[in-house]
Amino acid sequence: TQLLEQSPQFLSIQEGENLTVYCNSSSVFSSLQWYRQEPGEGPVLLVTVVTGGEVKKLKRLTFQFGDARKDSSLHITAAQPGDTGLYLCAGSHYGGSQGNLIFGKGTKLSVKP
Amino acid sequence: EAGVTQFPSHSVIEKGQTVTLRCDPISGHDNLYWYRRVMGKEIKFLLHFVKESKQDESGMPNNRFLAERTGGTYSTLKVQPAELEDSGVYFCASSRKQGWNTEAFFGQGTRLTVV
Repeated sequence: TQLLEQSPQFLSIQEGENLTVYCNSSSVFSSLQWYRQEPGEGPVLLVTVVTGGEVKKLKRLTFQFGDARKDSSLHITAAQPGDTGLYLCAGSHYGGSQGNLIFGKGTKLSVKP
Repeated sequence: EAGVTQFPSHSVIEKGQTVTLRCDPISGHDNLYWYRRVMGKEIKFLLHFVKESKQDESGMPNNRFLAERTGGTYSTLKVQPAELEDSGVYFCASSRKQGWNTEAFFGQGTRLTVV
């Protein structure tokens, strides 16, 4: 059973377009993180959201945590080829082990010049 | 500051053999985590060390997997004997504090192929 569902799994767009990646669950998370991973590398943390309804911005990336803390979205404005990579969401549960992070399968983004 | 480093980057072994993966965390990071991604699946938690102690090993698949962190520095993950389903990418991560409100840094992973 996959606790964190990411959609879409694959996304191929042209430079300059906008996109949104979704991360959904039936479970409540105490915090949720977004990572970006490039081939041959480990995931690199982009942002952590901890409050329901929270919105965080990182340059052209906007992250939102759902009010009920069950879902999150990542919106990229005016995508660039450098945004290409695998985007992963990962959450931690209330009362769960501090080390046990639940990952989604990821969204593979390709931005073409 | 050096990042989390993992050795080897790739390993191909035959079913039934033993393999040992190594992780060197960032200096001063007491928390060390092992994760695994099997092809087509999501990254899954294996275990969490705080210094040399196993804080949570609930994700370890079975007793063919043995993780150690003697002295609270580097960690090893041994698979003995390896099975085909153990193939995947094994990630190590470290953080200064516990909890996922603090940043954890991942290594580049070890790609294990069991044939």
